[in-house]
Amino acid sequence: DAMVIQNPRYQVTQFGKPVTLSCSQTLNHNVMYWYQQKSSQAPKLLFHYYDKDFNNEADTPDNFQSRRPNTSFCFLDIRSPGLGDAAMYLCATSRGLIGMSSYNEQFFGPGTRLTVL
Amino acid sequence: AQTVTQSQPEMSVQEAETVTLSCTYDTSESDYYLFWYKQPPSRQMILVIRQEAYKQQNATENRFSVNFQKAAKSFSLKISDSQLGDAAMYFCAYRAMNSGYSTLTFGKGTMLLVSP
Repeated sequence: DAMVIQNPRYQVTQFGKPVTLSCSQTLNHNVMYWYQQKSSQAPKLLFHYYDKDFNNEADTPDNFQSRRPNTSFCFLDIRSPGLGDAAMYLCATSRGLIGMSSYNEQFFGPGTRLTVL
Repeated sequence: AQTVTQSQPEMSVQEAETVTLSCTYDTSESDYYLFWYKQPPSRQMILVIRQEAYKQQNATENRFSVNFQKAAKSFSLKISDSQLGDAAMYFCAYRAMNSGYSTLTFGKGTMLLVSP
């Protein structure tokens, strides 16, 4: 089945130790998104890629970076995790531009829960 | 900027009963999409139902239906014949409709508890 896969599902890191979360998709979608979701809160968009074009949200801290080496994979790098970065990180994909309009459903992965010690 | 408000942090319903989750939004756009997403505990978020703002008819997907009031900027979700598997966090989301794609704006969510 076509899907969005996130590894690992649970990640523990130490304060200040760089960590990388990965996302892969078999949907061949143009757009990949990274969200941060803290407990009992709405997902907050960090950034997204349309193909290789990177789009950073204005309030995303510099501590968060992303890479998309190819259509299928996207990585979230947290350079120096702080206690406040402990959260669920969700990856999502969508088809992107099709014709003049499309509802472009976002498909979500299961998330990676990051713990910072 | 668009905002989405879910005023019910938590709702409870008994199996087989009906429950309505509320959502209001604010936008200056005339065309847009609205969504309800379901996020079960420790499981991935999935789309429950969507509504195009230009359509007057309320969307329906099996036991799930919406009451879309464009003038009031209201978009509630009704779940009929509730099942234990409906227990989850439900997020209302907005997306502008344009020639390309745009990102989702989520509400804070409503936790739905279903009791036998």
